[in-house]
Amino acid sequence: AQKVTQAQTEISVVEKEDVTLDCVYETRDTTYYLFWYKQPPSGELVFLIRRNSFDEQNEISGRYSWNFQKSTSSFNFTITASQVVDSAVYFCALSEVNYGGSQGNLIFGKGTKLSVKP
Amino acid sequence: NAGVTQTPKFRVLKTGQSMTLLCAQDMNHEYMYWYRQDPGMGLRLIHYSVGEGTTAKGEVPDGYNVSRLKKQNFLLGLESAAPSQTSVYFCASSYFRSPGDSTYEQYFGPGTRLTVT
Repeated sequence: AQKVTQAQTEISVVEKEDVTLDCVYETRDTTYYLFWYKQPPSGELVFLIRRNSFDEQNEISGRYSWNFQKSTSSFNFTITASQVVDSAVYFCALSEVNYGGSQGNLIFGKGTKLSVKP
Repeated sequence: NAGVTQTPKFRVLKTGQSMTLLCAQDMNHEYMYWYRQDPGMGLRLIHYSVGEGTTAKGEVPDGYNVSRLKKQNFLLGLESAAPSQTSVYFCASSYFRSPGDSTYEQYFGPGTRLTVT
C-alpha cells in the first residue's frame, strides 16, 4: 500500500543552521511522483518541488536541496543556512501513476513543523 | 488569474446543520480535489473529480457529498454536520493529461476553517 512517513514531527533550529527534513515512502508502483509542499503560518499550501521516480538526480534551488534515493525509498529535503521565513510545516507527498482509480491522487505525510529561531 | 478560490473562509455550524463549500478554479484544470487537514494528521483526501460530471471517493468520504456540474467548480456538502467534521478544508486542482505526463502538481486554495459545535 502507498504511504508517506515523516518521522520528525517538529524541528527547531537557530537561524543559519542547516536542517534536513526526512521523508520515507512506500509504493506498489514503478512510476510515481514525489512532492514537497510548504505551509507557512498563514495557512496556504505552496508547491516546492515534484520529482518523478526515474529521475534520481539531486536538485538544488537556492538554499533548498532535495535528495532522492530509490534504494532507501527516501526523498529528503535540506534547507541550508535556514532563515526565520523558513518556519512552516513541510509536507512530503506521493502520487502513483499506474494504479487504476487513483492516478494523480496525492498521499501526504503528516508533516514536519520547522521553527527557525533568530 | 485568481487560481483556486474557496468560499467561505470561515464558518461555524451547529451539529446537524448543513452547508456547502464552494471551490472555483480558473486554470481549466481537469482534476479537482477536496482535502481535510486535522492537527497531526496531514491532509486527507475526501473526494475528487477527474472531470465535469464525475466524482469519486477518497480516503475519508463519509459524511460528505460532492458535485462537479461545471468544470471550474467543485462543491463539497455536509448534510448533517458533526463535531468530528471540525477541520480546515482545502480544495485543489491539477491539469492531468495522461500517465507519464509531468504536469502533476496540485494547486491549492487558501482553505476554509469550519467549526462544528
